[in-house]
Amino acid sequence: GAVVSQHPSRVICKSGTSVKIECRSLDFQATTMFWYRQFPKQSLMLMATSNEGSKATYEQGVEKDKFLINHASLTLSTLTVTSAHPEDSSFYICSASGLEASTIYFGEGSWLTVV
Amino acid sequence: AQSVTQPDIHITVSEGASLELRCNYSYGATPYLFWYVQSPGQGLQLLLKYFSGDTLVQGIKGFEAEFKRSQSSFNLRKPSVHWSDAAEYFCAVVNSSASKIIFGSGTRLSIRP
Repeated sequence: GAVVSQHPSRVICKSGTSVKIECRSLDFQATTMFWYRQFPKQSLMLMATSNEGSKATYEQGVEKDKFLINHASLTLSTLTVTSAHPEDSSFYICSASGLEASTIYFGEGSWLTVV
Repeated sequence: AQSVTQPDIHITVSEGASLELRCNYSYGATPYLFWYVQSPGQGLQLLLKYFSGDTLVQGIKGFEAEFKRSQSSFNLRKPSVHWSDAAEYFCAVVNSSASKIIFGSGTRLSIRP
């Protein structure tokens, strides 16, 4: 079946640096990709929705200048956490969708720890 | 606006007992509904989904869910739980254009030996 791959699965970075997380759809073209953030023991919170070739749509309260999302191709979206701080430490999950809602798949998630 | 409610934060059932996790949604049209399971520190695994047709949907690991339009519900059931079913379960709703996925707050399932 279709697979969505996230990389890295775990990353530790120093406060003030930037870190990039990749989300790839391996065997289908993802017209839409979603980025979520999940704090411990909480649900997934949608951060932004990105469509290939256009700017991402951010949810209310999400800083677009801090969480840069690029969806340059139909198989790759990236989330860059800029000037990371310890409070940005979280589990980030992406999902990718084809033309229909029936083709929504999730990545394995990426643990970000900012020290 | 779309929303998903999972009224039970934490449920504990005995191994071998039946299980029902509740999910209520709010959506103007016929929604696309999903149930996902998440083990600690892991990503999401799709259990089952409903788009149209038969309102009783069979999923993996012996789970099933029933779409009830009159009650705006999509409850997840399993006739006999196993210790390995202990995890967090999320209900989600998606609009037909897949432009937005909304998750419920999740229900944590614990299994009593």
